Amino acid sequence: NAGVTQTPKFQVLKTGQSMTLQCAQDMNHEYMSWYRQDPGMGLRLIHYSVGAGITDQGEVPNGYNVSRSTTEDFPLRLLSAAPSQTSVYFCASSYSNRRYGYTFGSGTRLTVV
Amino acid sequence: DQQVKQNSPSLSVQEGRISILNCDYTNSMFDYFLWYKKYPAEGPTFLISISSIKDKNEDGRFTVFLNKSAKHLSLHIVPSQPGDSAVYFCAASASNSGYALNFGKGTSLLVTP
Repeated sequence: NAGVTQTPKFQVLKTGQSMTLQCAQDMNHEYMSWYRQDPGMGLRLIHYSVGAGITDQGEVPNGYNVSRSTTEDFPLRLLSAAPSQTSVYFCASSYSNRRYGYTFGSGTRLTVV
Repeated sequence: DQQVKQNSPSLSVQEGRISILNCDYTNSMFDYFLWYKKYPAEGPTFLISISSIKDKNEDGRFTVFLNKSAKHLSLHIVPSQPGDSAVYFCAASASNSGYALNFGKGTSLLVTP
């Protein structure tokens, strides 16, 4: 099925560990972004990309790294996990025409202990 | 600083009646507005969008109204159905920030039979 695929769905990390959250889309969307959702906070933008090779920071970028080497993939790297990064992470992609909105993945639930 | 605000955390409506969800924004650079619906343990699903050059957009039971001078938008659902029970997020984007979305904190809608 076409859409945005996020892996893994669940992950537990120890403080200080690093990991990569994977995101892939097969809709040839130019725009991709990462959000985190915390209770009572809505979704907050971490990083976004307007095309392969182009990324920029969002509202809460500290502690995260991204790269976009292909149109399809937009991985999110946690450099040194902290308990404050316990959250649900969503990846999203979109055409440049905003009337169609972003398509979201089903999320990765991350716990840092 | 929250640029998109949804001041009502929850709303309860009877089946068949109108649901009105409100949203305010502060950033004058926002030029596209979207509503998303989210069920627990799923990613947000795009509902409807509106460009800043319009003041109304309809799609079936969903209508979004935009009042640019007041920096206010609202989502009307008519008639409301029990399946509409979910968290609704208002989001806004600006063309100068890669179309990335700024979300409100969400309003939890409960439609009772």
